[in-house]
Amino acid sequence: GQQLNQSPQSMFIQEGEDVSMNCTSSSIFNTWLWYKQDPGEGPVLLIALYKAGELTSNGRLTAQFGITRKDSFLNISASIPSDVGIYFCAGQRRDFGNEKLTFGTGTRLTIIP
Amino acid sequence: DVKVTQSSRYLVKRTGEKVFLECVQDMDHENMFWYRQDPGLGLRLIYFSYDVKMKEKGDIPEGYSVSREKKERFSLILESASTNQTSMYLCASSSSGLPNTGELFFGEGSRLTVL
Repeated sequence: GQQLNQSPQSMFIQEGEDVSMNCTSSSIFNTWLWYKQDPGEGPVLLIALYKAGELTSNGRLTAQFGITRKDSFLNISASIPSDVGIYFCAGQRRDFGNEKLTFGTGTRLTIIP
Repeated sequence: DVKVTQSSRYLVKRTGEKVFLECVQDMDHENMFWYRQDPGLGLRLIYFSYDVKMKEKGDIPEGYSVSREKKERFSLILESASTNQTSMYLCASSSSGLPNTGELFFGEGSRLTVL
C-alpha cells in the first residue's frame, strides 16, 4: 500500500526554535491531517485541511494544504518542551465514501536542553 | 470524554501462540481500524471495519484476522504469532456522520513482543 514520504525523519532542536516538516505523495488527496503522538500515547489530531492552498493555524502550529494536493507542510513556532513527540501527516481520498487514511512515516521531534 | 480503550498495554508472547488484541470505543462510531506502528515506517493499516460483522483488508493484512461482533468492539487476532509481528498496535475509530472531518480517535496502543 501507499505510504507518504515525510521529512525530516527526526529533528533535534533547542527550545524556542521554529520547526518545519513536510509530507509528499505521488497521489492526490482531498484532505490532509496532522497528528501528534506523545510518548506512550496514541496519536491525536492537531490540524485538518480540506482545500488545496488552505492555510490553517492552531496556536503556534500552522499547516498548509499544497496547491498540487500532493503535499502538506506543518510549522511550529517558538518550540516548547511539550512539543516533543512524533508528528504524522495523513492523507485521505474520499472515493465512494472511503474513509481510509494513509499515514506518513513520522517526524520525531526532540528538544535539546 | 471520548475514549478508545485497548485491553493490554504490554504483551509478551511466544512464537506460534494465538494472540487477541481487544479494542472498545464508547463514541458509537461506525468505523474502526487496526494499525501497526514501526520506527521509520509510520502507521500501516492492517484491517478496518465500517459496520458490525463487516471487515476489509488494509495494506498489510497477512498473518492477521479481525472480528467485529458488536459495534463498539473490534478485535485483532494473530493466529500464530511470529517474531516479525513484534510491534506497537494501535486501534482507532471514526464517525461516518456529518460533519465528516476524517478525524481518527486512537487508543493508547498495545506493545506486543513475540519471542
